[in-house]
Amino acid sequence: DAGVTQSPTHLIKTRGQQVTLRCSPKSGHDTVSWYQQALGQGPQFIFQYYEEEERQRGNFPDRFSGHQFPNYSSELNVNALLLGDSALYLCASSPGGTVKKETQYFGPGTRLLVL
Amino acid sequence: AQSVSQHNHHVILSEAASLELGCNYSYGGTVNLFWYVQYPGQHLQLLLKYFSGDPLVKGIKGFEAEFIKSKFSFNLRKPSVQWSDTAEYFCAVNTNAGKSTFGDGTTLTVKP
Repeated sequence: DAGVTQSPTHLIKTRGQQVTLRCSPKSGHDTVSWYQQALGQGPQFIFQYYEEEERQRGNFPDRFSGHQFPNYSSELNVNALLLGDSALYLCASSPGGTVKKETQYFGPGTRLLVL
Repeated sequence: AQSVSQHNHHVILSEAASLELGCNYSYGGTVNLFWYVQYPGQHLQLLLKYFSGDPLVKGIKGFEAEFIKSKFSFNLRKPSVQWSDTAEYFCAVNTNAGKSTFGDGTTLTVKP
């Protein structure tokens, strides 16, 4: 049973560019959450997708957007990249449409470097 | 807005020493509490969680945590650490609205 997978593993972009990160949830999970983890900090909640809709959102600007596909996989898009967007981006999946009481299963992350 | 504070950024212990990692949260409503662990080179994974009932919860590998509502705390404990417990530990709070907030983590180094 494959766990949560993310691609690519590493990415280098320049300021102003746009980036798309991808996530496939654990089998049987329908809810995907995205997190940004800067160096030395804990994961910061970006948003959560369920039934192809954004259900919850953290304190991130509109430059951060996402999508969930019918097979529950998800994309995170970041426009107009800033140096401060350099971080590890984590995807987590869970069942049931909400993370209230559910354990989240994390992927290995995509490390984004913005130059 | 909810927040989570982990007071110890880096803890160094010798094998067999006892461990307690602090976690305090700020949120006025009902919360669900988690401890996640990230071993070197591995993904974040669940250590234990608390929703309701007995405030002392037991997790994997001999870890336990106690929820003290009056102190807004959910401290992680282990009576005797092993070298293999070297990892980064994150406390997390999920609200009933479905938002998840993590602390900044505590790096535990266990010396053999």
